[in-house]
Amino acid sequence: AQTVTQSQPEMSVQEAETVTLSCTYDTSESDYYLFWYKQPPSRQMILVIRQEAYKQQNATENRFSVNFQKAAKSFSLKISDSQLGDAAMYFCAYRSALGSGSEKLVFGKGTKLTVNP
Amino acid sequence: DSGVTQTPKHLITATGQRVTLRCSPRSGDLSVYWYQQSLDQGLQFLIQYYNGEERAKGNILERFSAQQFPDLHSELNLSSLELGDSALYFCASSARDSFTEAFFGQGTRLTVV
Repeated sequence: AQTVTQSQPEMSVQEAETVTLSCTYDTSESDYYLFWYKQPPSRQMILVIRQEAYKQQNATENRFSVNFQKAAKSFSLKISDSQLGDAAMYFCAYRSALGSGSEKLVFGKGTKLTVNP
Repeated sequence: DSGVTQTPKHLITATGQRVTLRCSPRSGDLSVYWYQQSLDQGLQFLIQYYNGEERAKGNILERFSAQQFPDLHSELNLSSLELGDSALYFCASSARDSFTEAFFGQGTRLTVV
């Protein structure tokens, strides 16, 4: 079974600074997808960024980028120019590729990000 | 707005009771997933339906059941409720292609007293 580990329960960053959230995962599959979801106090789960395992290029979405190291099974999220609205719980998630039996998401425990003004 | 609708938003009920949570997926999405989020267990996958059929089962208790109807909405039934069932229950939906993320509803906060 796949597992996802987020080793940082809490992180803080100053507004306008850069922060990196860590995520490692364990799998024997070669094809899969990785995601970062954000959960603000409103509790809505919002997709931040996604990465296909077969793509070597790291995904980028505006101020959010990932560092995907497939061999190391590492998938970190970098938030640049942090804003107060970035404060939330961030969850790393794994999904098997189609044909594996289920497209369920396996989540890490989350990292609570605080942004200080 | 994700396009996934969950009702009710909040539910308070007593131990031993039965409740039904409802989910309407995004238009056109055939897959529906149910997740439970609690402080001690985190986000746990419960069950997935695809076009009316059960596709995958996770850590779902026998007291819990779900179904997906012909109009693709889904219901999660929780019975013989215990205090430990108090949690946030999310529904998510996705199209079944190679790279479509799951879109989440706003969740139902269940409190068992």
